[in-house]
Amino acid sequence: SQELEQSPQSLIVQEGKNLTINCTSSKTLYGLYWYKQKYGEGLIFLMMLQKGGEEKSHEKITAKLDEKKQQSSLHITASQPSHAGIYLCGADGVDAGGTSYGKLTFGQGTILTVHP
Amino acid sequence: SAVISQKPSRDICQRGTSLTIQCQVDSQVTMMFWYRQQPGQSLTLIATANQGSEATYESGFVIDKFPISRPNLTFSTLTVSNMSPEDSSIYLCSVAKGLTLGYNEQFFGPGTRLTVL
Repeated sequence: SQELEQSPQSLIVQEGKNLTINCTSSKTLYGLYWYKQKYGEGLIFLMMLQKGGEEKSHEKITAKLDEKKQQSSLHITASQPSHAGIYLCGADGVDAGGTSYGKLTFGQGTILTVHP
Repeated sequence: SAVISQKPSRDICQRGTSLTIQCQVDSQVTMMFWYRQQPGQSLTLIATANQGSEATYESGFVIDKFPISRPNLTFSTLTVSNMSPEDSSIYLCSVAKGLTLGYNEQFFGPGTRLTVL
């Protein structure tokens, strides 16, 4: 089965600082999802990456998938208190023919705290 | 995107009882899933809810404990049966929009926070 490891497990930054969260897989990533979760709530979809070398941005958040498709990073520029929460990466499973199962395996999450 | 609602949002139940959680989507979706998030843990997939047929369960989860229904393409229920304190978790439904081939955007509901006493 696929395992995802996120680093760091927790992160405390001062408002305005940049930060990066990493997600590393034991197997090739065919569909990599990033979500944000506020404590005790549902997941907010941020971005999905499919292709090696792909990069997507939304507001101050940028996600990249490396060429080998085994590592992804999430970068937040000029962090704000509203960015605080738990960031989760999730990987899709596929069959031998490349069809998505749609079933996600998640990393353990990165807890982000942003001090004003 | 997809707008997903879950009922109830939270509940406190006595051990030995059962609770049914509802998941409603604002549009027809290809796939629906149920996840569990135990306290301080990440998400674990319970099962895939299949429209018109029995759900497909992941290792460690069984139909007798977590019966699932999906009568149409916008609605599903998950029942947590004969509950024990170990079932205290957040239960989330998710939906995949798009074609079954290729990769779909997946969206999650707000979750149901269950506490079993």
